[in-house]
Amino acid sequence: EAGVTQSPTHIIKTSGHQATLRCSPISGHTSVYWYQQALGLGLQFLLWYDEGEERNRGNFPPRFSGRQFPNYSSELNVNALELEDSALYLCASSRRGSPSFGSGTRLTVV
Amino acid sequence: AQRVTQPEKLLSVFKGAPVELKCNYSYSGSPELFWYVQYSRQRLQLLLRHISRESIKGFTADLNKGETSFHLKKPFAQEEDSAMYYCALSRATGFQKLVFGTGTRLLVSP
Repeated sequence: EAGVTQSPTHIIKTSGHQATLRCSPISGHTSVYWYQQALGLGLQFLLWYDEGEERNRGNFPPRFSGRQFPNYSSELNVNALELEDSALYLCASSRRGSPSFGSGTRLTVV
Repeated sequence: AQRVTQPEKLLSVFKGAPVELKCNYSYSGSPELFWYVQYSRQRLQLLLRHISRESIKGFTADLNKGETSFHLKKPFAQEEDSAMYYCALSRATGFQKLVFGTGTRLLVSP
């Protein structure tokens, strides 16, 4: 089966601007999770979508937002980018249980 | 509060030596515990989960509720075990999100 796919693989943005990251889950998976992996901080939970609804949100400011589409793919939007937002953003999907991860999108804010 | 602690950032051993990667957790309720592994240039993948009680690639982990620990062990390390290992927990009933530790890099030298 095709794994979780994320695009783009790398994105460079100027601080104050906006970034959109995309994720396609494994076929049949209805839940999508977003994590931020910043240097030295491990994986921090950002957002969880299931059946098109936001189910849970991590301790991140509102400028981190997203949505899940009817085909279960998802977008993560980061507004008013700050230098500290530079990180690897991982998407994961699951049906019920432990999720499978994508390769990530590396966001660099300059 | 949900928290996963991996006290070692780096664990360096020689091939054939025993390995123990430490993981302690705090959780108010019944958690499910996982170990994820990330090999160089590969995506994060599930290694094992405590409810399955499997041995994967020679690794085992036992959930110790008294000590709130879920240490990962292997009796004889191999060079191909070199990777980043993350301990994670979730709610046991009705999977929601994974809470990760900061990870331990295992380096197995010849």
